[in-house]
Amino acid sequence: SQQGEEDPQALSIQEGENATMNCSYKTSINNLQWYRQNSGRGLVHLILIRSNEREKHSGRLRVTLDTSKKSSSLLITASRAADTASYFCATDPLNQGGKLIFGQGTELSVKP
Amino acid sequence: GAGVSQSPRYKVAKRGQDVALRCDPISGHVSLFWYQQALGQGPEFLTYFQNEAQLDKSGLPSDRFFAERPEGSVSTLKIQRTQQEDSAVYLCASSLGGALHQETQYFGPGTRLLVL
Repeated sequence: SQQGEEDPQALSIQEGENATMNCSYKTSINNLQWYRQNSGRGLVHLILIRSNEREKHSGRLRVTLDTSKKSSSLLITASRAADTASYFCATDPLNQGGKLIFGQGTELSVKP
Repeated sequence: GAGVSQSPRYKVAKRGQDVALRCDPISGHVSLFWYQQALGQGPEFLTYFQNEAQLDKSGLPSDRFFAERPEGSVSTLKIQRTQQEDSAVYLCASSLGGALHQETQYFGPGTRLLVL
């Protein structure tokens, strides 16, 4: 069964706007990772945040992690049409051997 | 350098057929994972190898699913007597170190399996 839950399930915005996606999980983790998946393609790794980190940046991406609330958010600033994709959070739970537990994803549509 | 590759990219099988899906991880990567992704869902863990050792197969849905990595590099996921519910995208991922290293998993493009 999947551990993560993502919110919203779908998000539609205009180019240039910011997009925020949220992820909640249930058990203690080593780290949390965000992936992007274009339709019919494989998963592309975006960012990894460890359990002792609270915020991380990579280009237009900002990820936060609140282990007390067991939640994370992904912010994409100044969105572009090319950002249209599904976004998944994946947790690496403690003592689970490194396997990732994925949420159901947020489908982001950025309109030009 | 080359990423994770998978073959075939698409496979159509008749119910009851056996299929074999191949994964070529990034050269030198110790860890290899298989995931199953149903339409509209996130990937779900199937099994994990560290080198040639299969350390976790808790996600394999039935004894019809079998995976191997005999020389610690290429891996094959075999599904015997395929059923319609096996239709999904099968994703392979590799990472450089063992599980305790908490490293990024790099995914292949997947094999889309359709069982008729």
